[in-house]
Amino acid sequence: GAVVSQHPSRVICKSGTSVKIECRSLDFQATTMFWYRQFPKQSLMLMATSNEGSKATYEQGVEKDKFLINHASLTLSTLTVTSAHPEDSSFYICSARETRRSRDLQPGTDTQYFGPGTRLTVL
Amino acid sequence: AQSVTQLGSHVSVSEGALVLLRCNYSSSVPPYLFWYVQYPNQGLQLLLKYTSAATLVKGINGFEAEFKKSETSFHLTKPSAHMSDAAEYFCAVSVLVSYGKLTFGQGTILTVHP
Repeated sequence: GAVVSQHPSRVICKSGTSVKIECRSLDFQATTMFWYRQFPKQSLMLMATSNEGSKATYEQGVEKDKFLINHASLTLSTLTVTSAHPEDSSFYICSARETRRSRDLQPGTDTQYFGPGTRLTVL
Repeated sequence: AQSVTQLGSHVSVSEGALVLLRCNYSSSVPPYLFWYVQYPNQGLQLLLKYTSAATLVKGINGFEAEFKKSETSFHLTKPSAHMSDAAEYFCAVSVLVSYGKLTFGQGTILTVHP
């Protein structure tokens, strides 16, 4: 099956520093990747949609200048948390939607493959 | 906008018993519905999805779900629980116009005891 990796799996940083999280699709190309945030004992909240070669689309309430997203290739998207604060501590999960070329496929039905997540702790 | 409500944040069953995890959705347009499973400190794995074909959907690990439009439900079932089924389960919805953006329910933690 399709595999999505994330690096690092865990990161601890000091308040005010920036942290970069990588999301890679290992055996397929992904035009679109999604970034989610999951607080303890809560569901996943979509932060932004990352499209290869274009600007990310952020959900309402998500600061685009704080959460920088770059999708430079069909297999890599990065999320940079800038000037991190303790309230940014969370579990960040990415997903990748496999790029397909059939006209009959409906985008809403494409399977998203999820990465294992990155646990960010800001001290 | 779409939304999903999972009834019961915790469900506990005995090994071999029926598993029933409830999911109700709200959508003004035809929905696509998904069930994902998350093991501790891992990402999500797709169990099954409904994409407007058959209303009874079979997934991996013996799970299945039935789309009931009249009840706006997509409950997940498994006839006989295994210890390995213990995990957190998420129901999610997307619609065609959202181009794959998923809206997740709150999650249900399934505990299986011997």
